[in-house]
Amino acid sequence: DQQVKQNSPSLSVQEGRISILNCDYTNSMFDYFLWYKKYPAEGPTFLISISSIKDKNEDGRFTVFLNKSAKHLSLHIVPSQPGDSAVYFCAAIPPNAGNMLTFGGGTRLMVKP
Amino acid sequence: NAGVMQNPRHLVRRRGQEARLRCSPMKGHSHVYWYRQLPEEGLKFMVYLQKENIIDESGMPKERFSAEFPKEGPSILRIQQVVRGDSAAYFCASSPALAGGKNIQYFGAGTRLSVL
Repeated sequence: DQQVKQNSPSLSVQEGRISILNCDYTNSMFDYFLWYKKYPAEGPTFLISISSIKDKNEDGRFTVFLNKSAKHLSLHIVPSQPGDSAVYFCAAIPPNAGNMLTFGGGTRLMVKP
Repeated sequence: NAGVMQNPRHLVRRRGQEARLRCSPMKGHSHVYWYRQLPEEGLKFMVYLQKENIIDESGMPKERFSAEFPKEGPSILRIQQVVRGDSAAYFCASSPALAGGKNIQYFGAGTRLSVL
């Protein structure tokens, strides 16, 4: 039972253009969402997060949008750079769950020079 | 300021042996989490510990797996009598005390367990 889904296993984007990574969830109790980036043979690195009381959070080139009614969030990277090539995971935390993360399956982003 | 340290990075075991994975959290972090990633899949929560306490082990297999976070020293994930299906990357994460809010988890580089 996958509560967090990333339906696109891979995405290819030209350098300088926008990358949009999508994530859907089924548990309406989730109230905090995070995006992590992962390079091969490394651990996930935190990118950006958003609370369910907001619909947008921005940090430099990264913006996360949350649509609670659709149970959907997205990560926008503008402009995309070759160094952004990695696997991106979205994750969610329900309330009163001790902070444990439920991850999606990941999307592999390839940014072409 | 050292990050989350995991060792070993790679561990090879034969079926039936024991595997011990170690995790030292970031300085000042009192919460440790273990996750497992099977090939081509996302990370799956296994266990959440604080010093000398297991807070949530709902993701741990019922048999052969155990975890501890002693008062002194690293957190240990122990897998007894390993089987080929245990081959995976095991990631440890740490966070500071929750203090009522959501805290970011910081991950180590992982231990890649291969069972022959």
